[in-house]
Amino acid sequence: KNEVEQSPQNLTAQEGEFITINCSYSVGISALHWLQQHPGGGIVSLFMLSSGKKKHGRLIATINIQEKHSSLHITASHPRDSAVYICAVRSDRGSTLGRLYFGRGTQLTVWP
Amino acid sequence: GAVVSQHPSRVICKSGTSVKIECRSLDFQATTMFWYRQFPKQSLMLMATSNEGSKATYEQGVEKDKFLINHASLTLSTLTVTSAHPEDSSFYICSAGRQVSNQPQHFGDGTRLSIL
Repeated sequence: KNEVEQSPQNLTAQEGEFITINCSYSVGISALHWLQQHPGGGIVSLFMLSSGKKKHGRLIATINIQEKHSSLHITASHPRDSAVYICAVRSDRGSTLGRLYFGRGTQLTVWP
Repeated sequence: GAVVSQHPSRVICKSGTSVKIECRSLDFQATTMFWYRQFPKQSLMLMATSNEGSKATYEQGVEKDKFLINHASLTLSTLTVTSAHPEDSSFYICSAGRQVSNQPQHFGDGTRLSIL
């Protein structure tokens, strides 16, 4: 079983729709990352959070430490948001301190 | 913001060739660099963790003699795929950061390696 589970695996939306991607994890963490990977492969870090909620433009990330769950929301989605979104958690365990565990990613396609 | 530069972005070479990939942190000192491999439609798989000035720590199943990692300075780590074979064809990506810091890791743009 993967330490980080994401859903859905694939997501198609119409421009303007509200998008939610979910992430659940099973290890102790010091932080959770949401990453964006474009078709060329490069990865951009969108958020790093350890509690509560963060907002950047049309993107919102929330985390519930007790439930070991995080969500990434995109408001007013746009075709340029089309990418793979990856949830990654940073381990807080001694032998794996600092290591990132990755979800399999969510392929988002937004149609105009 | 912090930038990590990874070169080359794409390599196509013959079987048996050794390929070196560089990962540079451009505006901060990276005490730790991570090397990942990604197969199509799969998640990133950690290959090794590289700490400046010490030997890299390899994940289980990753051959250290096959994938040589050098982290000679706080701004540069290299991954050399020795005697590459077609099964080594993959997307390799590095990230730089501080292992115990609360700062995010910063990723390179990746290297697509194709072995003919």
